[in-house]
Amino acid sequence: EAGVVQSPRYKIIEKKQPVAFWCNPISGHNTLYWYLQNLGQGPELLIRYENEEAVDDSQLPKDRFSAERLKGVDSTLKIQPAELGDSAVYLCASSFEGAGTQYFGPGTRLTVL
Amino acid sequence: DAKTTQPPSMDCAEGRAANLPCNHSTISGNEYVYWYRQIHSQGPQYIIHGLKNNETNEMASLIITEDRKSSTLILPHATLRDTAVYYCIVRPSSRGSYIPTFGRGTSLIVHP
Repeated sequence: EAGVVQSPRYKIIEKKQPVAFWCNPISGHNTLYWYLQNLGQGPELLIRYENEEAVDDSQLPKDRFSAERLKGVDSTLKIQPAELGDSAVYLCASSFEGAGTQYFGPGTRLTVL
Repeated sequence: DAKTTQPPSMDCAEGRAANLPCNHSTISGNEYVYWYRQIHSQGPQYIIHGLKNNETNEMASLIITEDRKSSTLILPHATLRDTAVYYCIVRPSSRGSYIPTFGRGTSLIVHP
């Protein structure tokens, strides 16, 4: 069975440019998470979806970040415009239920120049 | 939500048992203890979880104290491939607003 799929794996952009990350969760998992991970730190939750509903987005900087999960399956996280401080790894995870075991994708490493 | 405290780093000789401690003194009765690990340049990987009883699977054993205020992850025969950052988190057993808090974890280095 395929795990959580993320693309791209690496992205380099100049500041002020937009960028988007895509995630496809494990089949049947209704809960999807987006995390931000800075170097040397643990993952920090940005947003959590239960099906297509965002149920935890208090950590998402809404002035430049947005996310969607229109059909309750795959999801897109967008940053517009990107800033130098957004350079980090963006991780996607999914679980069968909101409080169940999370399975993580490999992440997207973003570098903003 | 309960938070966890872990030592920043540990080392272990290959073939020996690695015992990684975690303090979660404010854990609630409905919160599970979960362990994940993250190998360099990969996403975190689930290892094991438990509520009250000790648990064992093919990867590790989890020992939870009777008062549930701390736990220990045991890798019985550590290999070089176990070198990773290990995260201990607590999660509620029910749905609802919940923000997983990973912290910085413990960086385990297994040496030959």
